[in-house]
Amino acid sequence: DAKTTQPNSMESNEEEPVHLPCNHSTISGTDYIHWYRQLPSQGPEYVIHGLTSNVNNRMASLAIAEDRKSSTLILHRATLRDAAVYYCILIGSAGTYKYIFGTGTRLKVLA
Amino acid sequence: KAGVTQTPRYLIKTRGQQVTLSCSPISGHRSVSWYQQTPGQGLQFLFEYFSETQRNKGNFPGRFSGRQFSNSRSEMNVSTLELGDSALYLCASSLVGPSDRGTGELFFGEGSRLTVL
Repeated sequence: DAKTTQPNSMESNEEEPVHLPCNHSTISGTDYIHWYRQLPSQGPEYVIHGLTSNVNNRMASLAIAEDRKSSTLILHRATLRDAAVYYCILIGSAGTYKYIFGTGTRLKVLA
Repeated sequence: KAGVTQTPRYLIKTRGQQVTLSCSPISGHRSVSWYQQTPGQGLQFLFEYFSETQRNKGNFPGRFSGRQFSNSRSEMNVSTLELGDSALYLCASSLVGPSDRGTGELFFGEGSRLTVL
């Protein structure tokens, strides 16, 4: 079965960049790569998404490998408010449903 | 602009009972999807609705069902509750329909936390 693989946890110092990796070796050509983050007692919050090219928005950057089998979410300057569980999700448009979730990476930001 | 609203936020049921959870999407969003989140299995897809039709269903038993109304509000029902159904049930809405799935972001509610005793 298709799946995404993420490290269970990572730590970063405040105001330093953070690179959160995700492996999705079984991705298909029509699958979009989405990243969401979840704070305690809240629903997931959208961070960024992309298909093939690298993407930037006000929250983060998404670097997608050329073969699309992995991606990296980049937080340019981590703040204490970025401490959350980050999920890498494949969302497919073709055929039957495809919402493939990773187990998430718990990011701890150190002051 | 109001976000996705899920009710109730917390509920406790006993084995064998049934439960109905409600989700009101963001105004103008016609696509609603449901997810189950547990510590052991993580996030799993339950259903996807668009224009009152179930477009996709995840790998869950028939005890899990849902529907969508003409105003895009959605409900999910779990019958004959089991202990393993204890979870956070999340609803998300989106502007894009199933054929464009993935091109737009999902807006999640805060979830309904179900405890089955």
